[in-house]
Amino acid sequence: ELKVEQNPLFLSMQEGKNYTIYCNYSTTSDRLYWYRQDPGKSLESLFVLLSNGAVKQEGRLMASLDTKARLSTLHITAAVHDLSATYFCAVDSADYRDDKIIFGKGTRLHILP
Amino acid sequence: ETGVTQSPTHLIKTRGQQVTLRCSSQSGHNTVSWYQQALGQGPQFIFQYYREEENGRGNFPPRFSGLQFPNYSSELNVNALELDDSALYLCASSSGRLIAGADTQYFGPGTRLTVL
Repeated sequence: ELKVEQNPLFLSMQEGKNYTIYCNYSTTSDRLYWYRQDPGKSLESLFVLLSNGAVKQEGRLMASLDTKARLSTLHITAAVHDLSATYFCAVDSADYRDDKIIFGKGTRLHILP
Repeated sequence: ETGVTQSPTHLIKTRGQQVTLRCSSQSGHNTVSWYQQALGQGPQFIFQYYREEENGRGNFPPRFSGLQFPNYSSELNVNALELDDSALYLCASSSGRLIAGADTQYFGPGTRLTVL
């Protein structure tokens, strides 16, 4: 059964600092997604990582995927208050007969001004 | 281009009742997935429909059922509601099955269901 684990679950950091969120998953898959959710809102797609070694960057966020280690990272550079949100990673089961997307529990990020 | 829409926005039901939630896919999208998100938790996959057929299901009991219509809109039906069914229900659409190469899912605003 595919399991997705994120850490940390909660992160409070100062503006201007760098930090990394980790996403581990349990079975073979080369499709991983990162989403952002603001309080009371729906999910917004951030990154789609489709192969080993994939790296995507948007502003102060950079995501990478290592399929051999079954690990993705979301790196925050010089954090700003507007990045405060909950970040989820999600993994595709890569099973045509039982196609599903499994989410991690999320990382609640609070950036202090 | 119209995004994913869901109705109703909020709903209050009592235990034992039945509920139907609705989702309209983004234009051109033929794949819909439904998720349950309890407060403070990640979305839990309920099931996915591709061209009107269910092709993936999460660990939810049979009282959670769904439909996808020829226009690719979708319904989620929940029978015999329980208190633990209180959650935000999210619908997401994509231009095909992600496993087949579609880019990503686009989420609707959700339906907040409260079961008393």
